[in-house]
Amino acid sequence: AQSVAQPEDQVNVAEGNPLTVKCTYSVSGNPYLFWYVQYPNRGLQFLLKYITGDNLVKGSYGFEAEFNKSQTSFHLKKPSALVSDSALYFCAVRDATGGFKTIFGAGTRLFVKA
Amino acid sequence: AAGVIQSPRHLIKEKRETATLKCYPIPRHDTVYWYQQGPGQDPQFLISFYEKMQSDKGSIPDRFSAQQFSDYHSELNMSSLELGDSALYFCASSPPGEPNTGELFFGEGSRLTVL
Repeated sequence: AQSVAQPEDQVNVAEGNPLTVKCTYSVSGNPYLFWYVQYPNRGLQFLLKYITGDNLVKGSYGFEAEFNKSQTSFHLKKPSALVSDSALYFCAVRDATGGFKTIFGAGTRLFVKA
Repeated sequence: AAGVIQSPRHLIKEKRETATLKCYPIPRHDTVYWYQQGPGQDPQFLISFYEKMQSDKGSIPDRFSAQQFSDYHSELNMSSLELGDSALYFCASSPPGEPNTGELFFGEGSRLTVL
């Protein structure tokens, strides 16, 4: 069975500082990994994904994430945070061996202070 | 660009009543997913359809059923509603050709309140 863990309920960072939102995963096969962002009362929006290839993937709004197979992690990063980045971030995984099910982590609330 | 359309956006029902949620995927997307998100919770996978056939099943209660129609829209039918069914229900779609690697495109959700 696949699962995702986001160990931090909330991350606080000052505007202009780098941010990291942590994610670890567990799947039986190879992982397809995703990050989504959710604003209040809105649907989730796709940020980036790792399928194969380069371990560092770049996505929307200056976000990037690094896939680390040995640590089974896929942390979301941004070099310089903006107040407008404040939102709820979900890490998600799908098992590459088959199936359509995408499993989401519990979410991490990012608060960027001006 | 066209997005995933869900209706209704808000729905209030009494216990034991029935509710139907509709989802219209992005044009030419052939896979539809349903998720349930309780207050402060992560989205829980309910069920998915690929080319009008059920493709995967998650934590969908037996009181719920869903289907995908010939025009690829999908409906989630919920019967004998319970207070715990109050949640935000999201539909998502993904494009053809990559049912496994593609990201999900989410609708704005349907908020169901059961009184």
